[in-house]
Amino acid sequence: DQQVKQNSPSLSVQEGRISILNCDYTNSMFDYFLWYKKYPAEGPTFLISISSIKDKNEDGRFTVFLNKSAKHLSLHIVPSQPGDSAVYFCAAQDGSSNTGKLIFGQGTTLQVKP
Amino acid sequence: DGGITQSPKYLFRKEGQNVTLSCEQNLNHDAMYWYRQDPGQGLRLIYYSQIVNDFQKGDIAEGYSVSREKKESFPLTVTSAQKNPTAFYLCASSTQGSPFFEQYFGPGTRLTVT
Repeated sequence: DQQVKQNSPSLSVQEGRISILNCDYTNSMFDYFLWYKKYPAEGPTFLISISSIKDKNEDGRFTVFLNKSAKHLSLHIVPSQPGDSAVYFCAAQDGSSNTGKLIFGQGTTLQVKP
Repeated sequence: DGGITQSPKYLFRKEGQNVTLSCEQNLNHDAMYWYRQDPGQGLRLIYYSQIVNDFQKGDIAEGYSVSREKKESFPLTVTSAQKNPTAFYLCASSTQGSPFFEQYFGPGTRLTVT
């Protein structure tokens, strides 16, 4: 029972263009969402987050959009750079559980071509 | 220089042996987590601990055990009962187990059991 899904295993974009990574969730109790970036053989690093009271959060080249009615979030990277090539995981949290547990999607491998 | 340390980076064991993975943090975080990553899958929660001397099972706890005797340390033992132990293991911590706090990850340990 996959509560967080990233349906695109991979994405390839040209340097300078926009990268859009998508994530869907099924649990309506999720109220905090995070994106992590991961290089091979390393631990994930936190990128950006959004709480369910917002529909957009921006940090430099990274913007996360949340559509609660569709249970969908997306990460936009503009402009994309070769150093952005990595696996991106979205994660969700049910704040009412008070455990801090994160539920992760399967990940999307982004390749940014020079 | 605060962070999370996992050692060793690569670990090889024979089938039937128990093995303990180390995780240490000097971030003064209350909560700690163990995840497992398999190819093409997201991170799956094995165990977590929100306070010293207390821990809870995650989604895939069977065949694993943990202890939390000190705030800084959360070792994971992969027992011989774990049917598919070969994987990339990630330890994480957060300021507390409450919602809206991102988790910080260590560099991971790749365990290979033959």
